[in-house]
Amino acid sequence: AQSVAQPEDQVNVAEGNPLTVKCTYSVSGNPYLFWYVQYPNRGLQFLLKYITGDNLVKGSYGFEAEFNKSQTSFHLKKPSALVSDSALYFCAVRDSYMDSSYKLIFGSGTRLLVRP
Amino acid sequence: DTGVSQDPRHKITKRGQNVTFRCDPISEHNRLYWYRQTLGQGPEFLTYFQNEAQLEKSRLLSDRFSAERPKGSFSTLEIQRTEQGDSAMYLCASSLAGTGENQPQHFGDGTRLSIL
Repeated sequence: AQSVAQPEDQVNVAEGNPLTVKCTYSVSGNPYLFWYVQYPNRGLQFLLKYITGDNLVKGSYGFEAEFNKSQTSFHLKKPSALVSDSALYFCAVRDSYMDSSYKLIFGSGTRLLVRP
Repeated sequence: DTGVSQDPRHKITKRGQNVTFRCDPISEHNRLYWYRQTLGQGPEFLTYFQNEAQLEKSRLLSDRFSAERPKGSFSTLEIQRTEQGDSAMYLCASSLAGTGENQPQHFGDGTRLSIL
């Protein structure tokens, strides 16, 4: 079965420092991976996706993510955090082989808190 | 920029009442999804439409739930005889097929349902 794990409920980082939000996944076929961000009382905003190709994917607002097939991970990173990055971050996966509906399987989310 | 629009944003109702939510996807998007998000969790897939055809339903979608997309444009999600456990944020997303199979899903701001 497809699944996504976000092992950290919360990540705290000082403004200007690098940040990492962790994600691991489990699928039967090739994974299609996504990161979304959610602000309070809002829907999810798309940040970036990995489908194929380069393992380092660049996305919106200076975020990037590294796909690691051997570790089945897709960690979200940013070189220098901003206070405005404080939000809830979700990793999601779609299994290329098993799923014809294109539905996404989400992790439980990681709250990022960037302190000034 | 007209994104995915959901109405209402908030709905408070008594247990046992019926409720209906509306989603207007991005105009050229032919795929439409409904997800449910409970507090502290990631979104969970409910159902998926391609144009007007409902192609997949999650087992989360009990017989009290029904979704339609009659003309392949807007969609409605109806919950009959609401229960306390139906309290959640209901998210709609849309995406475009035909230009690559992994276009990101774009989410609306959701309808928050509270059952008294």
